[in-house]
Amino acid sequence: EIVLTQSPGTLSLSPGERATLSCRASQSVSSSYLAWYQQKPGQAPRLLIYGASSRATGIPDRFSGSGSGTDFTLTISRLEPEDFAVYYCQQYGSSLSITFGQGTRLEIK
Amino acid sequence: EVQLVESGGVVVQPGGFLRLSCAASGFTFDDYAMHWVRQAPGKGLEWVSLISWDGGSTYYADSVKGRFTISRDNSKNSLYLQMNSLRAEDTALYYCAKEAGDHYYYYYMDVWGKGTTVTVSS
Repeated sequence: EIVLTQSPGTLSLSPGERATLSCRASQSVSSSYLAWYQQKPGQAPRLLIYGASSRATGIPDRFSGSGSGTDFTLTISRLEPEDFAVYYCQQYGSSLSITFGQGTRLEIK
Repeated sequence: EVQLVESGGVVVQPGGFLRLSCAASGFTFDDYAMHWVRQAPGKGLEWVSLISWDGGSTYYADSVKGRFTISRDNSKNSLYLQMNSLRAEDTALYYCAKEAGDHYYYYYMDVWGKGTTVTVSS
């Protein structure tokens, strides 16, 4: 099973700043099968990025994804107040193993 | 509007059983595979199970294999999760989620329900 490790665990930033969230896989992941989700308190997760770098429908262009192999990044170019939430990466590997990272909490500084 | 509404979550004793349901609307249900994903209190997300658009193929996380069964009734636009031999560690909010691909697996979820809570406790 591929393990996804997200860092940092908590990121404290101010609105307007740039956020860089990391997701590292224990084995190489096909970029086609790497996604990012946002979850706000009391809400279901929302798909942000799929295929490592494609934005889901309705996602603002301040959100971008990049990376390949074992290292992937979610970048939020200029933080808006509504962006403070928990972010999860997720991958699909062989033998139908679908795993999530443990999450990065993005909090207001 | 695409919508998924889960139901069936209750408090159940260890060793007990439960069936969760998910009602889908706003899209052609039998065109898409469906997932169950759970979240233990204060914890992260854990994928549980996946079923193909026609119900012919099912997949499970190792943690639930042999105890949980995913199924669907396309005539009712409904997804189910039969949960047997429940353990304390199965306590979680259970989400129903739509697979992104139309008759194809991309293995990510583009629509989620609000979840239903299962508590396993004596």
